[in-house]
Amino acid sequence: QLHLQESGPGLVKPSETLSLTCTVSGDSITNHDYHWGWIRQPPGKGLEWIGSIYYGGNTYYNPSLKGRITILADASKNQFSLKVTSVTAADTAVYYCARVLGPTGPDFWGQGTLVTVSS
Amino acid sequence: QAVVTQEPSLTVSPGGTVTLTCGSSTGTVTSGLYPYWFQLRPGQAPRTLIYDTSNKHSWTPARFSGSLLGGKAALTLSGAQPEDEAEYYCLLSYGAAGPVFGGGTKLTVL
Repeated sequence: QLHLQESGPGLVKPSETLSLTCTVSGDSITNHDYHWGWIRQPPGKGLEWIGSIYYGGNTYYNPSLKGRITILADASKNQFSLKVTSVTAADTAVYYCARVLGPTGPDFWGQGTLVTVSS
Repeated sequence: QAVVTQEPSLTVSPGGTVTLTCGSSTGTVTSGLYPYWFQLRPGQAPRTLIYDTSNKHSWTPARFSGSLLGGKAALTLSGAQPEDEAEYYCLLSYGAAGPVFGGGTKLTVL
């Protein structure tokens, strides 16, 4: 049974780097049928696509966040990760990881983890 | 970046039918934008209901269906249940420009 679990600090200081990891069980991130992605939802607002990675090496980053985000994959741990640099309060959100069907959309989501940016 | 529009809120009576729509600032929504629909309920992982316009996952209740309607993507709920009260988001994929979520529809079953 597929399961995705986000992990990482729940509180990050302004200007620092937000780092999250998604651990996948029940599938392999090397599965060529899927990409692996990150999505977030700020409190009281809608969903925002952050980016995705295909184990073959291709990544897609939301242009509005480009330059601040990095998504990496670690096949040995069956994990993929997200880093967001120079965070501000606007980066406060529930962050979800997801399995992505091709480059088009997520079919399975993690539970999500709240990250608050505050001093 | 394209803007994807949804109704901010809708209300449906128990057992009733409601259609949510998903429009694009670039024009007519076609199957080439691979419309997706998601359900978000508090305290639960988001659930993908529809992919590629009208395809259902094994977990998608039969009362949900996806289509193209009047130049938009549409999600129709037939026979609404109390547990269908949730936020619903659509997603359109613009190729190299990437995927864009709609602003979401808060559906009340009342």
